[in-house]
Amino acid sequence: KQEVTQIPAALSVPEGENLVLNCSFTDSAIYNLQWFRQDPGKGLTSLLLIQSSQREQTSGRLNASLDKSSGRSTLYIAASQPGDSATYLCAVGSGAQKLVFGQGTRLTINP
Amino acid sequence: DGGITQSPKYLFRKEGQNVTLSCEQNLNHDAMYWYRQDPGQGLRLIYYSQIVNDFQKGDIAEGYSVSREKKESFPLTVTSAQKNPTAFYLCASSIAPGAGNTIYFGEGSWLTVV
Repeated sequence: KQEVTQIPAALSVPEGENLVLNCSFTDSAIYNLQWFRQDPGKGLTSLLLIQSSQREQTSGRLNASLDKSSGRSTLYIAASQPGDSATYLCAVGSGAQKLVFGQGTRLTINP
Repeated sequence: DGGITQSPKYLFRKEGQNVTLSCEQNLNHDAMYWYRQDPGQGLRLIYYSQIVNDFQKGDIAEGYSVSREKKESFPLTVTSAQKNPTAFYLCASSIAPGAGNTIYFGEGSWLTVV
C-alpha cells in the first residue's frame, strides 16, 4: 500500500529565504507526482506535475524534483514571499485512478 | 470562466439525516472525483467517475453515495450510515481518467453534524 509522508508538518521562515519542502513515498512504482497549494478553507491548486519519466519541473520560482529510486520529491521555493504562505501537499499517482496524498506542510513566510 | 462549483459552502446535518453536496464543472472533463479532508490530514478518495453513468468506490465509500447522470454533475450524498461525517469535502475533475492527468479542485464544502 502506497504511503506518502511530508515532513515537517509546519515550517516558518523569514521573507526572502529559499526553502525546500519534502515528500517521501514508499512504493516507487508511480505514474507521477503532483504538488498542490491549499489556502485555508479553500480547494487545492495544482502547482507542478512530474511524470514518472521526468526528473524535475519548473514554474516561476518553484522547482520540483523527483527521485523515484529513493522515493523522494522536493519542492524548492526561491525568494519566498508572504503570499507563499499556505499548506503544500504532494500526491503520488499510484494505480490507474488513484492519487495518494501526503498530510501537507503548513508554510508561513514572515515579513 | 471554466471551473468547478461546489455548493453549499457550509452545511449542517442533524443526526439521522441524509444530505447532498453539489458539484458542477464546465471544463468538459470526463473524470470526476470526491475527496474528504479531515483537519491536518491529507485527502482520501470517496468515489470517482470515469464517464457518465459510471462510478467506482474509492478508499472510504461506506456511508456515501453518488450519481453521474450528466457529464457536468457529480453530486455526493452523505447518508445517515456515515457515522463521522464532519469534514471538508472536495470535488475534483480531470480531462480523462487516470492519475497521469492534472486534477482540478473546487473550493470545497464544509459539513458539520449538529
